[in-house]
Amino acid sequence: EAAVTQSPRNKVAVTGGKVTLSCNQTNNHNNMYWYRQDTGHGLRLIHYSYGAGSTEKGDIPDGYKASRPSQENFSLILELATPSQTSVYFCASGELDYAEQFFGPGTRLTVL
Amino acid sequence: EQQVQQSPASLVLQEAENAELQCSFSIFTNQVQWFYQRPGGRLVSLLYNPSGTKQSGRLTSTTVIKERRSSLHISSSQITDSGTYLCAMERGSNNRIFFGDGTQLVVKP
Repeated sequence: EAAVTQSPRNKVAVTGGKVTLSCNQTNNHNNMYWYRQDTGHGLRLIHYSYGAGSTEKGDIPDGYKASRPSQENFSLILELATPSQTSVYFCASGELDYAEQFFGPGTRLTVL
Repeated sequence: EQQVQQSPASLVLQEAENAELQCSFSIFTNQVQWFYQRPGGRLVSLLYNPSGTKQSGRLTSTTVIKERRSSLHISSSQITDSGTYLCAMERGSNNRIFFGDGTQLVVKP
């Protein structure tokens, strides 16, 4: 079974600060994804990656950057955090040719 | 436009009753995945069901691609089944999936 972990699990940041959310997967999946989940909007895709060195924009990429330095790791970066980015963030991974995805436990981010 | 519609939005059952959750898609898809989520918790993949019927324990998913719908049947519900059930479909060639807003299930003793 896919093992996806995220850190930190909870984070409080100040407006204008830089925040980095990390994701690690141990199943050697090529694809990795970052979502945010908000009441009334469901899960929305921010960025995704097909493999080390690749990042692609999802549906709501503004205000976020992503980095995929290795097969296992995928980071989401908020250079200048804003209160509107307060949310729960989920990372997921999946194999290259299949849409089935496996999710991490989530990171609850509060931007004050 | 909401790509994935789920119904009902919420459902309350007595323990041991069966539940039927529905998912419909605005466009054709060939990959459907059902997830379970506790409040504030991890999304757990329940069934990955591209088409036809797939069963896992008390869960049965039926996907009818031509009719752009999928259902999740939960038999003999238990209190621990309470939570949110999310349907997701793949669209396009890059394995991206799109989620519905979920069905909130409450199972009472």
